[in-house]
Amino acid sequence: SQTIHQWPATLVQPVGSPLSLECTVEGTSNPNLYWYRQAAGRGLQLLFYSVGIGQISSEVPQNLSASRPQDRQFILSSKKLLLSDSGFYLCASTGNLSPLHFGNGTRLTVT
Amino acid sequence: AQTVTQSQPEMSVQEAETVTLSCTYDTSESNYYLFWYKQPPSRQMILVIRQEAYKQQNATENRFSVNFQKAAKSFSLKISDSQLGDTAMYFCAFMKYSGNTPLVFGKGTRLSVIA
Repeated sequence: SQTIHQWPATLVQPVGSPLSLECTVEGTSNPNLYWYRQAAGRGLQLLFYSVGIGQISSEVPQNLSASRPQDRQFILSSKKLLLSDSGFYLCASTGNLSPLHFGNGTRLTVT
Repeated sequence: AQTVTQSQPEMSVQEAETVTLSCTYDTSESNYYLFWYKQPPSRQMILVIRQEAYKQQNATENRFSVNFQKAAKSFSLKISDSQLGDTAMYFCAFMKYSGNTPLVFGKGTRLSVIA
């Protein structure tokens, strides 16, 4: 079965600083990969998804970007964080017709 | 585009009782998957149950079962013998059969199990 490694678990960053969140997947090849964001007590907002290396689809225009340098690696970045970027970020992966598996998430606080 | 609606933002149930969470969806697809995910206070997302649209039989997983009404586009989750550990946010989700498109999630229902 798939295992999603996501780090760091918690991050506090000042406004204007850069961001890099990393996610790696074990137990499957050529997965579809996703980044979701969840505000406190709210639903899941899809940010980016990728069906292959170098293929990124953006769902919400903002100051975040994503990259997929390797088959099972997905990175979420920002050059300059905003207060509104605070939230809980979840990486997820799915294989062919398999359910979505989630990492444990990163709680980001922008101060 | 597909949409998923969970009309109950919050619900509560007494321990050992049964509760049903509602979910409706809108799609023009004929083949698809439906899921219920649980997010406890730890915020880890846990798959509770899945249903393939081509199967008429409702899925069950121990105390969790669904009532899938394809014509009505309804997919409710029933939790029997509720336990304190069932306290969580529950999300209903839709996935096209092709699998190469993202899951679409509802906004969630916060369930509290009361001792």
